[in-house]
Amino acid sequence: SQQGEEDPQALSIQEGENATMNCSYKTSINNLQWYRQNSGRGLVHLILIRSNEREKHSGRLRVTLDTSKKSSSLLITASRAADTASYFCATDMGGGFKTIFGAGTRLFVKA
Amino acid sequence: DAGVTQSPTHLIKTRGQHVTLRCSPISGHKSVSWYQQVLGQGPQFIFQYYEKEERGRGNFPDRFSARQFPNYSSELNVNALLLGDSALYLCASSPDRGGEKLFFGSGTQLSVL
Repeated sequence: SQQGEEDPQALSIQEGENATMNCSYKTSINNLQWYRQNSGRGLVHLILIRSNEREKHSGRLRVTLDTSKKSSSLLITASRAADTASYFCATDMGGGFKTIFGAGTRLFVKA
Repeated sequence: DAGVTQSPTHLIKTRGQHVTLRCSPISGHKSVSWYQQVLGQGPQFIFQYYEKEERGRGNFPDRFSARQFPNYSSELNVNALLLGDSALYLCASSPDRGGEKLFFGSGTQLSVL
């Protein structure tokens, strides 16, 4: 089962444009994380936002969290071809013992 | 420092066989999690081990088992392989219980013929 569902499933943009990905989840959370995966290999942690936070920034990344709507968004500004990857949201379902991932958004940035 | 290492990187098995996948966490990390990722989908949670005990289990059949050793390395075992077990198996470690940041290995690509 998957706690998070990303939207859209796939996104194709031009270099320099912004990319926005959304994640919805079903149950209460302590935090929500975003990960990136290149070419079907290991995932890399990008950013974490806690349930009492509404917005967080890291470089070109901006994450928002709306706990009332059980949703989060990841914004990548001024995208680059190197940002081409799959992006996943993840939530902790078991007090630190069960991190569940969504189905992911496939981002393609055209040079 | 070395990251999470998994072995082997690729594996081909036939239906009904057994497979063992190995994972070495980052030095000092006490928690290891296992995930199965089918092409085009998100990682599916299989197990989490912390301090050598199973702490979390996903919705996988009993053919899947794992263990964590005193040095915190881990093995994932799958018995009676099915074609549907073909996937990328990912191992992730975290310093403590987890839930905030997972460090992933590059995975083992398992093909069942």
